[in-house]
Amino acid sequence: GAVVSQHPSRVICKSGTSVKIECRSLDFQATTMFWYRQFPKKSLMLMATSNEGSKATYEQGVEKDKFLINHASLTLSTLTVTSAHPEDSSFYICSASAIQPGLPRADTQYFGPGTRLTVL
Amino acid sequence: EDKVVQSPLSLVVHEGDTVTLNCSYEVTNFRSLLWYKQEKKAPTFLFMLTSSGIEKKSGRLSSILDKKELSSILNITATQTGDSAIYLCAVLDDKIIFGKGTRLHILP
Repeated sequence: GAVVSQHPSRVICKSGTSVKIECRSLDFQATTMFWYRQFPKKSLMLMATSNEGSKATYEQGVEKDKFLINHASLTLSTLTVTSAHPEDSSFYICSASAIQPGLPRADTQYFGPGTRLTVL
Repeated sequence: EDKVVQSPLSLVVHEGDTVTLNCSYEVTNFRSLLWYKQEKKAPTFLFMLTSSGIEKKSGRLSSILDKKELSSILNITATQTGDSAIYLCAVLDDKIIFGKGTRLHILP
C-alpha cells in the first residue's frame, strides 16, 4: 500500500522548453503532496507543498513562475518546469501524505521514484 | 519488483538507549543506499553507503552496508529526545526507492 508513482522517470529536453512531471498516489488519496529536488550530494531540498484544490506553498528561493505546481485532484500533482535551462537539470522527487482513517499515517510521506531531468 | 523494506515500523525507547534500525532491499541495479532523518517536512541527509562493510559515522550515528545480505543498519547510541524522527532508507539505482520509514520516539 501507499504507492506513489512519477512520470516520466527520465526526460531529456532542450534549453527553453517546458517539462511536465506527474506525481500520482496509486492506492490512496493524497491530501498533501511535496516536491523535492535532489542535489549531487544527495540532500533533498523541499521546493513546495501542495494541498489538493489550493495553491502550492513554495519554499524560500524557489521561483513559483518557473516551477508551476498543480494539485488538481486527490491523486495527482504536476510540476511543470517552464523554460528549462541546464541548471535545472536534477532529480525531482515527489512525496504524498494523507489524512484518512485506516490509510497511511497523516504525517508520513510516501515517496515517488523520482524523475531525472536533463536539460541540454 | 524493486523494493526497500524498513523495520521496525515504529520504535519507542528511553533516552540513553541504543537503537538499531534496519533496511533491506531488492533492486535491479544497486548503486548506493541513503539514510535520511525526517523531522518536519524535508528529510535531512545522513549517510550514503556504496561499499559493503565500511562503517560511516557521524557523532552518535553510524551505518553500515551489507551487500551480501542486501541490507543496511543505522545505529544510534546514547539516544536523546532530539533523535525522535522518522528515519528513511532509500536505494538508488536508475531511480530512487524509499522505504516507508521507521518512526523513532525517544522518551525523556
